[in-house]
Amino acid sequence: GENVEQHPSTLSVQEGDSAVIKCTYSDSASNYFPWYKQELGKGPQLIIDIRSNVGEKKDQRIAVTLNKTAKHFSLHITETQPEDSAVYFCAASDEVTGGGNKLTFGTGTQLKVEL
Amino acid sequence: SQTIHQWPATLVQPVGSPLSLECTVEGTSNPNLYWYRQAAGRGLQLLFYSVGIGQISSEVPQNLSASRPQDRQFILSSKKLLLSDSGFYLCAWTSGGLYNEQFFGPGTRLTVL
Repeated sequence: GENVEQHPSTLSVQEGDSAVIKCTYSDSASNYFPWYKQELGKGPQLIIDIRSNVGEKKDQRIAVTLNKTAKHFSLHITETQPEDSAVYFCAASDEVTGGGNKLTFGTGTQLKVEL
Repeated sequence: SQTIHQWPATLVQPVGSPLSLECTVEGTSNPNLYWYRQAAGRGLQLLFYSVGIGQISSEVPQNLSASRPQDRQFILSSKKLLLSDSGFYLCAWTSGGLYNEQFFGPGTRLTVL
């Protein structure tokens, strides 16, 4: 089955700096890679995702890059703000109709943006 | 638009007592539904998923069971809770089509004493 590793487990940055979280996956058949943000006591919220037919996707201050050959993908947050403080999870899946669409999650990164 | 509900939001139960957590989805039909558990400071562990009414797949052997009595209702149960069942339980759904965008509910915080 799929195995997703995520690093670092904790990340502290100064407000305005950039933050980068990295994930690797094991199953070359995986083709869908979402990122979730989880605030304390709440369910995870999908913030951005990427499919294997593109190498990069950007949405305002958030971007995700994918290297299929190396089987790793990264989340980049620029101009960090205190409200970016949360736990971030990466995930991977093989989008196959009828296959249950199961996601395999990384172990999470606690991001703290300091003033 | 679609929304997902979970209740109760918090629950404190004694060891050995039964459990029933409910999840419902609005604004979609025939969704895939998922139950996850998240231990404190840990990642998300997939417990069960369902691609249709009465169809349940279990990902890990455990003290819990799941049922899907209606298209947009997913229930997580236990006959006798263990201390190790404590955690944050999350329900999620996808459209069940080709794309995997998975959306989570607000979660239920379960404490077993």
